[in-house]
Amino acid sequence: SAVISQKPSRDICQRGTSLTIQCQVDSQVTMMFWYRQQPGQSLTLIATANQGSEATYESGFVIDKFPISRPNLTFSTLTVSNMSPEDSSIYLCSVDKTAQETQYFGPGTRLLVL
Amino acid sequence: GESVGLHLPTLSVQEGDNSIINCAYSNSASDYFIWYKQESGKGPQFIIDIRSNMDKRQGQRVTVLLNKTVKHLSLQIAATQPGDSAVYFCAESVMNYGGSQGNLIFGKGTKLSVKP
Repeated sequence: SAVISQKPSRDICQRGTSLTIQCQVDSQVTMMFWYRQQPGQSLTLIATANQGSEATYESGFVIDKFPISRPNLTFSTLTVSNMSPEDSSIYLCSVDKTAQETQYFGPGTRLLVL
Repeated sequence: GESVGLHLPTLSVQEGDNSIINCAYSNSASDYFIWYKQESGKGPQFIIDIRSNMDKRQGQRVTVLLNKTVKHLSLQIAATQPGDSAVYFCAESVMNYGGSQGNLIFGKGTKLSVKP
């Protein structure tokens, strides 16, 4: 497994602003992912964060709204841009060490947009 | 489209009883399945996984059963404890051509409540 931390753990933001969420892993991993979990719902994959190249986004998610960075094998950021109340969710980072193992999740960032 | 779903959205059991959480999947090509436990305010925690070449796998107090014929997955928790109270998610994926694991598709989740 891996030890994964996220910052911030929670935040309350005003609509129209942007928030950058950080994900840090204690060891190098092949794959890093970002998920959204809306209140009372299951997890939906936003994108795969690729080291040194643009992220791969799932249907319904675009780079302008959710820009992602992955500068190295242990760190990634997700920005939620121009937020609206509909963006209120838990945002989760997950990692897969070898791309052949299961994914392990961070504690999540709880975002409330007013 | 393909989906993973659960038969029971909520489950209430007595402490000490066994719990069974069910999950139906629709993608017959899925070859890897995982159960996660998510406690309130936390991220999903890996419980147990199983590949499609197996039909049963056991862990500590947990057993996962896979029935490929009817595309059904279940998680059995023995001697359920109050600490087992959480939402449980099943997830499936398909191995890519290059040998890496494909993206996970999550089911809706079952909330397990353990009564003392």
